[in-house]
Amino acid sequence: GAGVSQSPSNKVTEKGKDVELRCDPISGHTALYWYRQSLGQGLEFLIYFQGNSAPDKSGLPSDRFSAERTGGSVSTLTIQRTQQEDSAVYLCASSFRAGDTGELFFGEGSRLTVL
Amino acid sequence: AQRVTQPEKLLSVFKGAPVELKCNYSYSGSPELFWYVQYSRQRLQLLLRHISRESIKGFTADLNKGETSFHLKKPFAQEEDSAMYYCALVPAGGTSYGKLTFGQGTILTVHP
Repeated sequence: GAGVSQSPSNKVTEKGKDVELRCDPISGHTALYWYRQSLGQGLEFLIYFQGNSAPDKSGLPSDRFSAERTGGSVSTLTIQRTQQEDSAVYLCASSFRAGDTGELFFGEGSRLTVL
Repeated sequence: AQRVTQPEKLLSVFKGAPVELKCNYSYSGSPELFWYVQYSRQRLQLLLRHISRESIKGFTADLNKGETSFHLKKPFAQEEDSAMYYCALVPAGGTSYGKLTFGQGTILTVHP
């Protein structure tokens, strides 16, 4: 596809369960980012990848959150033992290379609801 | 650390009226500033960046380093401008490649 693809688009889970969110960046984009969009909180940076490595994990809210990227392409954000405060829209973005400051292309997001 | 503040969560204007969405930032170095927009049921997308000094869809934004502001302006608002607008900052030339710090967003509603 032409754009950043995220799945699932919607996920409802019970508190305490683990969830995986997937992001497929634009082909050829080496940099990949995860953000969280919560009501009233704006867009919160979570983690960034250049290739398969994550030089900046500073935004991950707790050790229940982890992310990986394989083959310099698809990335998975995993939330373990979900809590109600994890409910949000998780946005993935990619850019051609790390130096493309500000030129991010976003996916449609994965809406997570923790009951 | 950098911070972006958008003081207005909601902004309503009538079609044809001027509109200004406020953005203030705090950062000790030289920043690059951006405006992103999210229309209803669409993806978040780049609207404009200050280094381009461009006008997109009639919107302009001037970086005022003295006031640490980057307000978004349009002289005559249109109904299709209704959207969520985010101001964002990244350190210029720094190592935070693409790590945009976003404000809380402003929902603009343009009434007919």
